[in-house]
Amino acid sequence: KAGVTQTPRYLIKTRGQQVTLSCSPISGHRSVSWYQQTPGQGLQFLFEYFSETQRNKGNFPGRFSGRQFSNSRSEMNVSTLELGDSALYLCASSLYRESDEQFFGPGTRLTVL
Amino acid sequence: QKEVEQDPGPLSVPEGAIVSLNCTYSNSAFQYFMWYRQYSRKGPELLMYTYSSGNKEDGRFTAQVDKSSKYISLFIRDSQPSDSATYLCAMSESGGGADGLTFGKGTHLIIQP
Repeated sequence: KAGVTQTPRYLIKTRGQQVTLSCSPISGHRSVSWYQQTPGQGLQFLFEYFSETQRNKGNFPGRFSGRQFSNSRSEMNVSTLELGDSALYLCASSLYRESDEQFFGPGTRLTVL
Repeated sequence: QKEVEQDPGPLSVPEGAIVSLNCTYSNSAFQYFMWYRQYSRKGPELLMYTYSSGNKEDGRFTAQVDKSSKYISLFIRDSQPSDSATYLCAMSESGGGADGLTFGKGTHLIIQP
């Protein structure tokens, strides 16, 4: 069974631009979560989608948003990029929302110049 | 006080040694505890997933959870150079994507051949 896939793997953007990242969960998994990983803050929870609805959100500004499609694939969007948004963005999927293992993709490394 | 504390290391041990990695946490509502391994420029890989207090063994890996002390451990027996990576502890109340995972900062482990 294929794992979680993320595209693109690398991105370079400039301040003020916006970016869209894509995640395809493991086949059959319906819960998709997004995390940001930086050297200073570590891994931090952004939000979770299930059945095309955002169910939970971490402590990030409204510039960070996402959506989920009927096939469970998910996208996250960051608008008005700041230098501090440079990070590895990780997507994780699980079959159920609770009591279930989360499997991570390889991540998208975003650099904001 | 951070919710999850983890010594960043680096922790350097000779090949074949037993490795002990630990995390402490402050939120008594955490019920699910995980260990992930992350190689440089890769996504986290799930190693162990446990519920509540107790021990769980999988091959060379043993996870221990002591909820009364708010302390979790990962032991690696017969360590190999390929075990060199960053080890992240993670925990949550619901065990899935429903409430997001809270991560430690990770311990950088080096196994010397």
